Amino acid sequence: DIVMTQTPLSLSVTPGQPASISCKSSQSLLHSDGKTYLYWYLQKPGQSPQLLIYEVSSRFSGVPDRFSGSGSGTDFTLKISRVEAEDVGVYYCMQGIHLQITFGQGTRLEIK
Amino acid sequence: QVQLVQSGAEVKKPGASVKVSCKASGYTFTSYYMHWVRQAPGQGLEWMGIINPSGGSTSYAQKFQGRVTMTRDTSTSTVYMELSSLRSEDTAVYYCARGDFEITMMGNYWGQGTLVTVSS
Repeated sequence: DIVMTQTPLSLSVTPGQPASISCKSSQSLLHSDGKTYLYWYLQKPGQSPQLLIYEVSSRFSGVPDRFSGSGSGTDFTLKISRVEAEDVGVYYCMQGIHLQITFGQGTRLEIK
Repeated sequence: QVQLVQSGAEVKKPGASVKVSCKASGYTFTSYYMHWVRQAPGQGLEWMGIINPSGGSTSYAQKFQGRVTMTRDTSTSTVYMELSSLRSEDTAVYYCARGDFEITMMGNYWGQGTLVTVSS
């Protein structure tokens, strides 16, 4: 299985400040079709996960533009340009290059 | 509107099996794959497998091979996830999640979750 490793595991951010989460995969997520199947999800307290980013950097429908994704191959980053109170929760990266999908351990974001 | 409604909480003894249902509505059932993901208490997300409601084909995470079975009933737009030989480590909330325009992508349509507790 592809192992997804996130850092940090938790972060505390002042509203209006930026935040960044790293995700590294044990194998390249670049598929032969030219796409890189790396996703970012946010699970808010008491809720089901919601998709933020697909294919490394494409924002899903309705996701605010303060969220952005970048990276390639095995190294990826999720950035929040200005954290808001509603961004609290656990962020997961996920790989879907094939049907043995794996998630990172999660990064808990709290507001200072 | 798209809805995924799961069956209620279950309490099972070790060694037993559990079958969780996920009834879909608001879209063409056979047009999107369905994933199952679980989350143990206070833990992260774990993908279990996927089913194609159109033909019924499945793919399971290697960890669950031999213990999990995913099926569907197109007449009721329902998918099922059955997990056998339950142990305490299987205590978790089990979610169904609809795929989206990429097979491996779970969009924003998730069931409400079903808590399965395994305890003697």
